[in-house]
Formats: sequence, C-alpha cells, structure tokens
Amino acid sequence: DAGITQSPRYKITETGRQVTLMCHQTWSHSYMFWYRQDLGHGLRLIYYSAAADITDKGEVPDGYVVSRSKTENFPLTLESATRSQTSVYFCASIDPGGNTEAFFGQGTRLTVV
Amino acid sequence: QKEVEQDPGPLSVPEGAIVSLNCTYSNSAFQYFMWYRQYSRKGPELLMYTYSSGNKEDGRFTAQVDKSSKYISLFIRDSQPSDSATYLCAMREYGNKLVFGAGTILRVKS
Repeated sequence: DAGITQSPRYKITETGRQVTLMCHQTWSHSYMFWYRQDLGHGLRLIYYSAAADITDKGEVPDGYVVSRSKTENFPLTLESATRSQTSVYFCASIDPGGNTEAFFGQGTRLTVV
Repeated sequence: QKEVEQDPGPLSVPEGAIVSLNCTYSNSAFQYFMWYRQYSRKGPELLMYTYSSGNKEDGRFTAQVDKSSKYISLFIRDSQPSDSATYLCAMREYGNKLVFGAGTILRVKS
C-alpha cells in the first residue's frame, strides 16, 4: 500500500535503553521529518532530511539520532531513553515538487518508564 | 522566542458560530502557510494551503495571510460538532523545514 507507515505504533521502554522508531514511505518524497507532540507544545521538529544522507537538526534534537541511507526510510533512535522523551512521535514526508503538503504517519506512542 | 506562536485554547463555541483561529510568526522567510486539522489519536491532515498574502476560501473555511503583519488566520463558518479537533498552523521556507504552531483545541457544542 502506498503511504507513510511508522512502527511500532506503541512502545514501552525503560530509562537508559536504546530504542529505534521506524518510518517508511513509498512515494520517494525527498523531504522527511520527525516530530514529537506533547500537550501544549504542538508538533516540535526533532530532525529533518532533505534527501538520502542529508539530515539537519530541528528545534529539539538533543538525545536523538537519525540516519537516512535510503530515500524511503528515516529511522529515529533514542540513544538512552529518558522519561522526558515520553511522547507521541510523528514522521512526515513532503514532495517539494508538489504543493508542499506534508503526509503524516499514524504516530508512535512511546512511554519511557 | 518561538518562530510560530499559536494560542492552545481550548476554544469552545456553540454550533453554527463563526470560529477564528490565529497564528503569528517571526521568520519573514516563510513562504508557505498551511492549516492542519488533527483528530484525537490521529496524524494531522492538511486543511488549507496558501502561498501568498490574501484570502483563500474552501467551502466553510477561509484562510487569510498577512505577510506584512506576520499573521495568519483560519475562519470556520457555520461550525459543526464534527469540526471539533485540534487545528495547527504550519509554515515553511522554500526547500526547508516545516514548522508548526502549538495547535488550538476547538470544541463545537451542539
């Protein structure tokens, strides 16, 4: 199915553990984004990527690592999870040749205990 | 200072009311202005998109951009209970990151 998918949908992990959230899109959109959503803060940009092997920091990058070896995949890794990283994480992609509409995944609800 | 400011609400209105949602921004390089709607436990979906200053209308929705004041608005006419959602403004520079406001929670009471 065409679209953008995130996995897992739900994740509980312990403080200090490494966890990776996956994002896969089937359109070959060049731009991809990772956001976290917390009450009162809206969507805050963690990292974004303009193309394979090109990534840049957003507003809240500390504690996160990204990579983009292939255009369709943009995994987000929490190197050592903390309770403050409990959030809902959304991945999105944009085809800059289109109307700049961002397409979002279903979200990953991460709880760090 | 955040690049995009938006009052998180919540905003509660009776059915049939006109709703006005607003955002201000500080980055004069923003060229694309969008409104997204997000229902509970779902990802945001694009509602309106504008490129230049002025008004754009789509059914009951009107998006307004004033670049000189760095101010954008979304108006919803004849609001319905199904419009109850979180509305997020978003802005983008050409070829750059997409930045969102905090989102306004809207509740339309029947």
